[in-house]
Amino acid sequence: QLQLQESGPGLVKPSETLSLTCNVSGGSINSSNYFWGWIRQPPGKGLELIGTIYFSGITYYNPSLKSRVTISVDTPKNQFSLRVSSVTAADTAVYYCTRPFRFYYFMDVWGKGTAVTVSS
Amino acid sequence: EIVVTQSPATLSLSPGERATLSCRASQSVRSNYLAWYQQKPGQAPRLLIHGASSRATGIPDRFSGSGSGTDFTLTISRLETEDFALYYCQQYATSPYTFGQGTKLEIK
Repeated sequence: QLQLQESGPGLVKPSETLSLTCNVSGGSINSSNYFWGWIRQPPGKGLELIGTIYFSGITYYNPSLKSRVTISVDTPKNQFSLRVSSVTAADTAVYYCTRPFRFYYFMDVWGKGTAVTVSS
Repeated sequence: EIVVTQSPATLSLSPGERATLSCRASQSVRSNYLAWYQQKPGQAPRLLIHGASSRATGIPDRFSGSGSGTDFTLTISRLETEDFALYYCQQYATSPYTFGQGTKLEIK
């Protein structure tokens, strides 16, 4: 059964770069049938799709975040990663790694999520 | 950007009752690319419905989705205790792929 697990610092200082990794188990990130993605949820608020990546490195980014976001894939480690630069308090959120269904942009597999706070 | 609006914000019902949740898009959602998710406190969302009306794997048949164009509905035919949660809809037809703000289904 496919499982996703986020990891990374829970506290990031303003203006620095937030970095998270998602470990994929029970399946291969090299699958030609799926993207991999990141979604975030600020405290008490709704969901926002950050972006997705294909194992070949092809990416999609939410236009509102595109200038600050990088998603990358490490196929030997079966992981993919998220970097958000120049963070502010508005980037405080629970970050979920996800697997979209086939080549659609809805998510059928989710990690448990990791909380990231931006504060000095 | 397609703005997705859910109503009501909060719905108070009793177990055994029927729940009807609404999701309205600011533009027509191509091919009815509309999904519904359930989220319980401290948990990740769970996919319920995709393609406006197709139940995801393992979702009980008391959950059903309907609608097309700009108006969509999630119906829970007979509420069970575990159904009281937050529900989100998402359009995945047009970038950016946007979510509604959620409907909280609470026990009356």
